[in-house]
Amino acid sequence: RKEVEQDPGPFNVPEGATVAFNCTYSNSASQSFFWYRQDCRKEPKLLMSVYSSGNEDGRFTAQLNRASQYISLLIRDSKLSDSATYLCVVNKGSGKSTFGDGTTLTVKP
Amino acid sequence: DAGVIQSPRHEVTEMGQEVTLRCKPISGHNSLFWYRQTMMRGLELLIYFNNNVPIDDSGMPEDRFSAKMPNASFSTLKIQPSEPRDSAVYFCASSTKDSYGYTFGSGTRLTVV
Repeated sequence: RKEVEQDPGPFNVPEGATVAFNCTYSNSASQSFFWYRQDCRKEPKLLMSVYSSGNEDGRFTAQLNRASQYISLLIRDSKLSDSATYLCVVNKGSGKSTFGDGTTLTVKP
Repeated sequence: DAGVIQSPRHEVTEMGQEVTLRCKPISGHNSLFWYRQTMMRGLELLIYFNNNVPIDDSGMPEDRFSAKMPNASFSTLKIQPSEPRDSAVYFCASSTKDSYGYTFGSGTRLTVV
């Protein structure tokens, strides 16, 4: 079993739709959680950190459920520019992070 | 800040040749990571340094791979001899603290023919 698992998708949604991604992690001792965005042929970029209390950044909301060991990302009012691969990342506090394989999102006009 | 700087952006080399990838982390970041990304295996951590000291190199595929960080502003990843299966995008990333996430460089796209 992989340490971090994501539904690879692809998710194809129309502009304006709400879309949610989930990610599960296997190590209950994990301490830090993130969502990264990666555009085609580009480097991953930090989208947002994820906290137990949940956090929101504009149209993006991230949630962490430690009991069930999953992380979610909700995107409201999808834009064409949101099309990318979204990577779930977990850090055990050991100094290194484990990346999921990513979920591909395509937003269509 | 210029961000994490990697060079070269693209490298095409023949099997058996030595390849050296370079990285300059963000000033003040004390952790540096080398990742490899392929379609088949996704993003794999090869090695990471903390305060210029290699902490975990368990992801380095084999003895053909080596990495150094002689000072806080420079790191290299060397492959000798290179093989076609080493073809991938190699990313360098740096961070200040586990809970802050990483900043990635633009990557080096390596093709070994």
